[in-house]
Amino acid sequence: DARVTQTPRHKVTEMGQEVTMRCQPILGHNTVFWYRQTMMQGLELLAYFRNRAPLDDSGMPKDRFSAEMPDATLATLKIQPSEPRDSAVYFCASGLSSPRQGSIQYFGAGTRLSVL
Amino acid sequence: EDKVVQSPLSLVVHEGDTVTLNCSYEVTNFRSLLWYKQEKKAPTFLFMLTSSGIEKKSGRLSSILDKKELFSILNITATQTGDSAVYLCAVGVQGAQKLVFGQGTRLTINP
Repeated sequence: DARVTQTPRHKVTEMGQEVTMRCQPILGHNTVFWYRQTMMQGLELLAYFRNRAPLDDSGMPKDRFSAEMPDATLATLKIQPSEPRDSAVYFCASGLSSPRQGSIQYFGAGTRLSVL
Repeated sequence: EDKVVQSPLSLVVHEGDTVTLNCSYEVTNFRSLLWYKQEKKAPTFLFMLTSSGIEKKSGRLSSILDKKELFSILNITATQTGDSAVYLCAVGVQGAQKLVFGQGTRLTINP
């Protein structure tokens, strides 16, 4: 059963601490997306990669957020230092860049982050 | 700026009713329109539409796209309490893999 795996599922931390969220995309998928979801803003795209190369990170606060793909099976999103306004659910999604499947993204279960 | 607008934002109906959810969009270089269902966790993929007038159907759910009027509808017939969820509409653009999401319609089915 192919699925996107995110860890941790829940994270509670104190303001100023570093937070690292991890994502394992579906095997064979070549695009990876990071989203943030809040009640007020809905789903916001933070960054995305194709073939491990960052294509767009314009949605991320650059001073504190960073996203990387060290290899094809792992994507990371880091927040340093974290702030209470970063509290949200962070989703990772993956997809296959092809004419037939091009736009479909499959979502992980999310990381619920609370910054106190 | 690319924009996707869903209506209504919230809908409460009784089990057995039929509902229609709306999605309108303004994007440059439209590629596809997608519907997702989000219960407590991750959005799950329902349909992808690329051509006008061709209905996609899965059980009690169906969807159609009008590329001339720039909108799509999602119909759910004989609703059940398990259909309660947030339904998200998203549009994909040519030349980029990213999706532009609407704010969602929160559907509540009462027994």
